[in-house]
Amino acid sequence: LAKTTQPISMDSYEGQEVNITCSHNNIATNDYITWYQQFPSQRPRFIIQGYKTKVTNEVASLFIPADRKSSTLSLPRVSLSDTAVYYCLVGENSGNTPLVFGKGTRLSVIA
Amino acid sequence: GAVVSQHPSWVICKSGTSVKIECRSLDFQATTMFWYRQFPKQSLMLMATSNEGSKATYEQGVEKDKFLINHASLTLSTLTVTSAHPEDSSFYICSARDGKGNQPQHFGDGTRLSIL
Repeated sequence: LAKTTQPISMDSYEGQEVNITCSHNNIATNDYITWYQQFPSQRPRFIIQGYKTKVTNEVASLFIPADRKSSTLSLPRVSLSDTAVYYCLVGENSGNTPLVFGKGTRLSVIA
Repeated sequence: GAVVSQHPSWVICKSGTSVKIECRSLDFQATTMFWYRQFPKQSLMLMATSNEGSKATYEQGVEKDKFLINHASLTLSTLTVTSAHPEDSSFYICSARDGKGNQPQHFGDGTRLSIL
């Protein structure tokens, strides 16, 4: 399984755009990149998933360069409620392959 | 979207008690489910992969006789913490993926287990 590296923590002011970068140098051809958000004592919530280039949904964008060795989660105009831990995961999207979590990035949004 | 239901959400019991946690896929069939454990301020740690109709696959360091997993149907997996002790107190989360095509992994709401 490809190992991921992301910053331990980040701080941001409300209303700013936040970009969290994840390194995954050993990503395999069949691997997808998935980001989850987790609040304390709650389940991880799916944010976005991509394979290459750019993916955008109603809450975030995911930028993946051509070599796929890194990815950047972009959260536009964060609010206090976006304070959480964000996990970058890399792996196949097959039914019997589990996601293995790294340490994640603890984002603190300040008023 | 795919929904995973986990029950109970919170358990407090005495040391030595066995506790069963249920994980259900509500709107899809899951031949495989995953069990994680999370201690405060730490990441999720994969404990085991539950396979319908066969034995679970445990991660290194996880005692299979301590954490019994049963996956008797395509929508239900159970984790039983046998003879629980205070060090087993943790947040246990199950997860499953709809096997049809390219789908993300969905998580139950977790079970907070406190052993006194």
